[in-house]
Amino acid sequence: ILNVEQSPQSLHVQEGDSTNFTCSFPSSNFYALHWYRWETAKSPEALFVMTLNGDEKKKGRISATLNTKEGYSYLYIKGSQPEDSATYLCAFLTSYGKLTFGQGTILTVHP
Amino acid sequence: NAGVTQTPKFQVLKTGQSMTLQCAQDMNHNSMYWYRQDPGMGLRLIYYSASEGTTDKGEVPNGYNVSRLNKREFSLRLESAAPSQTSVYFCASLLLRQTGGKAFFGQGTRLTVV
Repeated sequence: ILNVEQSPQSLHVQEGDSTNFTCSFPSSNFYALHWYRWETAKSPEALFVMTLNGDEKKKGRISATLNTKEGYSYLYIKGSQPEDSATYLCAFLTSYGKLTFGQGTILTVHP
Repeated sequence: NAGVTQTPKFQVLKTGQSMTLQCAQDMNHNSMYWYRQDPGMGLRLIYYSASEGTTDKGEVPNGYNVSRLNKREFSLRLESAAPSQTSVYFCASLLLRQTGGKAFFGQGTRLTVV
């Protein structure tokens, strides 16, 4: 079993706050680390795909970093907005094609 | 471009009945996946098919079988449904390549077993 752990499980912030989540993953058979955004009643949508140690990705106010040597990734949201409210999932992709998700972080941004 | 199509969207089964969930993708992806979503547990992998002709167990395979019919289609079968299989099921596909791919998901199937 590949353990992909996310923390915290849930987070409540005020509009304008910056926040970050953590994803930890196994060190063996690494191929890629994915972040997804999942809104209620919709399907998950990919935010970032990272493959190399030290990768940093950015899309607007959201960014992510990757450390494959120690097995963790951070997702950052700067200046949270109510529309950022969603569940954020990380997923570990092995070299043999297995894609395992963490349990997710539920973000609620209060106006 | 339809992406990933799952059928049906909703289903109610009686305990012991069987059914097959269908999934098809039109993106020429090599890898396909079946997940179940339960409250507080994210997406748990049931089975996956890294390439046409191969299937492997995920975290929660008991009570399920899969068939990778061709490159496009990956079906999930419940032979004898149990109330514990009440869940929302998602199919996904991915192109495994150097850039690390990203998964595309179907709209989900809400299954209730009574």
